[in-house]
Amino acid sequence: EAQVTQNPRYLITVTGKKLTVTCSQNMNHEYMSWYRQDPGLGLRQIYYSMNVEVTDKGDVPEGYKVSRKEKRNFPLILESPSPNQTSLYFCASRPMGTERENHEQYFGPGTRLTVT
Amino acid sequence: QKEVEQDPGPLSVPEGAIVSLNCTYSNSAFQYFMWYRQYSRKGPELLMYTYSSGNKEDGRFTAQVDKSSKYISLFIRDSQPSDSATYLCAMRDSSYKLIFGSGTRLLVRP
Repeated sequence: EAQVTQNPRYLITVTGKKLTVTCSQNMNHEYMSWYRQDPGLGLRQIYYSMNVEVTDKGDVPEGYKVSRKEKRNFPLILESPSPNQTSLYFCASRPMGTERENHEQYFGPGTRLTVT
Repeated sequence: QKEVEQDPGPLSVPEGAIVSLNCTYSNSAFQYFMWYRQYSRKGPELLMYTYSSGNKEDGRFTAQVDKSSKYISLFIRDSQPSDSATYLCAMRDSSYKLIFGSGTRLLVRP
């Protein structure tokens, strides 16, 4: 089954304790990205990657890191989490090809993070 | 001002009603327009997409784009309780970056 998986689905942590949220896709997609979703603000892009070893900042990259060592994996790293990073996080992937495929962005199930 | 504005709702309608969901935007360079549906505790899934102006129909769903007014709509005919979800509009210019609206929560009452 074609899918994007994220782990963990729920995480409660304390300020300053480094954490990693994993993301993996099995569709051989080149493009992967991370979003955070907050009430009233919608989905905002944190980082994206257009291929292995190619990453770039989105709209809200402060406090986050990513890496793309393999095509299928795109982990999100919070080196020193703070309470304002409490949010719902989504990983997404899509192919970079024909016009239709450019719009077919597949989302993971989400990770709800609480930082106290 | 946000690039994409969307009424958060909630919008509550009886089963069988016609639902109209809307977004306005400010960037005239946007040319690809999408609607995503997000059920509770799930990731968004693509529902409809339209290139430039015009209408597109898919079953009970119709997407409309009016670029002159910078206004897009999603119509749902014969709404069902299973349509209850948050609907997100999204759009982009010639780049790969999608800009999302904040979502409208829809509740269809049986």
